[in-house]
Amino acid sequence: TQLLEQSPQFLSIQEGENLTVYCNSSSVFSSLQWYRQEPGEGPVLLVTVVTGGEVKKLKRLTFQFGDARKDSSLHITAAQPGDTGLYLCAGLQGAQKLVFGQGTRLTINP
Amino acid sequence: GAGVSQSPSNKVTEKGKDVELRCDPISGHTALYWYRQSLGQGLEFLIYFQGNSAPDKSGLPSDRFSAERTGGSVSTLTIQRTQQEDSAVYLCASTFRGRGTVDTFGSGTRLTVV
Repeated sequence: TQLLEQSPQFLSIQEGENLTVYCNSSSVFSSLQWYRQEPGEGPVLLVTVVTGGEVKKLKRLTFQFGDARKDSSLHITAAQPGDTGLYLCAGLQGAQKLVFGQGTRLTINP
Repeated sequence: GAGVSQSPSNKVTEKGKDVELRCDPISGHTALYWYRQSLGQGLEFLIYFQGNSAPDKSGLPSDRFSAERTGGSVSTLTIQRTQQEDSAVYLCASTFRGRGTVDTFGSGTRLTVV
């Protein structure tokens, strides 16, 4: 059983479209991270959200942490081919243990 | 170096052999994690070290897996009697304790058991 469920697992859309990726759990996390991973590389941290209801924006990317700190979403506006990659959410349990979702593989077609 | 360094980057081994994977964390980072990633999947937690505290080994899949961290710096993940299902990318990450996030991963070691 996956502690963090990401959906969709695969998403292929056209350049310029908007999309949302979801990360859901029945557990409460002290913080939640979103990463992007390219082939052959380790995950690169995009954002950390800590407070329930928190919204953070990073250019065309908007991240939201659920009020109960159990879920999160990543919204991309006007997707570009350079956004293609594996997006991972990860929740911090307590002070130390970081658990990951299974990832969303995003493909943006020109 | 400025980042987390892992070696080797690729390792092909025969079934039944032992392997050692190395992680050099960022200098001064007190916390170190090992994760395993199967092809195209999310990361599976293996083990966590924090300073001189007892490591959290709750993610190690079997007693064939072990890890140590010497002097609070370099860490070695050892897999004994490797099996084909051990084939994966093994990722290491380090951070400061209490930072509330893990922001620096190495590029991983791709292990293939044939």
